[in-house]
Amino acid sequence: DAGVIQSPRHEVTEMGQEVTLRCKPISGHNSLFWYRQTMMRGLELLIYFNNNVPIDDSGMPEDRFSAKMPNASFSTLKIQPSEPRDSAVYFCASSFQYEQYFGPGTRLTVT
Amino acid sequence: AQSVTQLGSHVSVSEGALVLLRCNYSSSVPPYLFWYVQYPNQGLQLLLKYTTGATLVKGINGFEAEFKKSETSFHLTKPSAHMSDAAEYFCAVSVSNTGNQFYFGTGTSLTVIP
Repeated sequence: DAGVIQSPRHEVTEMGQEVTLRCKPISGHNSLFWYRQTMMRGLELLIYFNNNVPIDDSGMPEDRFSAKMPNASFSTLKIQPSEPRDSAVYFCASSFQYEQYFGPGTRLTVT
Repeated sequence: AQSVTQLGSHVSVSEGALVLLRCNYSSSVPPYLFWYVQYPNQGLQLLLKYTTGATLVKGINGFEAEFKKSETSFHLTKPSAHMSDAAEYFCAVSVSNTGNQFYFGTGTSLTVIP
């Protein structure tokens, strides 16, 4: 299995631009999670889906952030408009039982 | 409510010395417990997990952890540190067998001194 796939691995954009991060979970996993990691805040859960349905989005920082999961094999996290404080590493993880499996992350830099 | 406390945000050990990373949890129901490792510029990788059964669990790279219900602890150990063990380590607790409701500790950065 290829594991959780995230793209792009690195993204540099200017403030105000739209950013879309993509995730392909492990086949057969029915839960998907988006996390953000920064030095200041550590690892934060943004949102998670179960069977493609958003269950808990209380961690989404503000309306500029949105996430979708149109099918079991694909999810996006969109930031519009982006701000410098959104600079972080964004991880996607998926699970079926017990543990979560993480992707390699997308390092986002907003200038 | 569930929570995880990792004592010591930074731990330094000499190469060959014992590694001990502490994790305490609070949970209102029997927990599932995990340790993850994050190497620089990489995602989190599962080291080991406790779900049911034997309370001493062995993981990859020579690490092991023991679930102690009476102490609400799940400390991570390795008898002899290697330079390649330098990384960030996260303890996590889940109260769901579907991987949902996952709670991570704040992480412990392990430095191995030659």
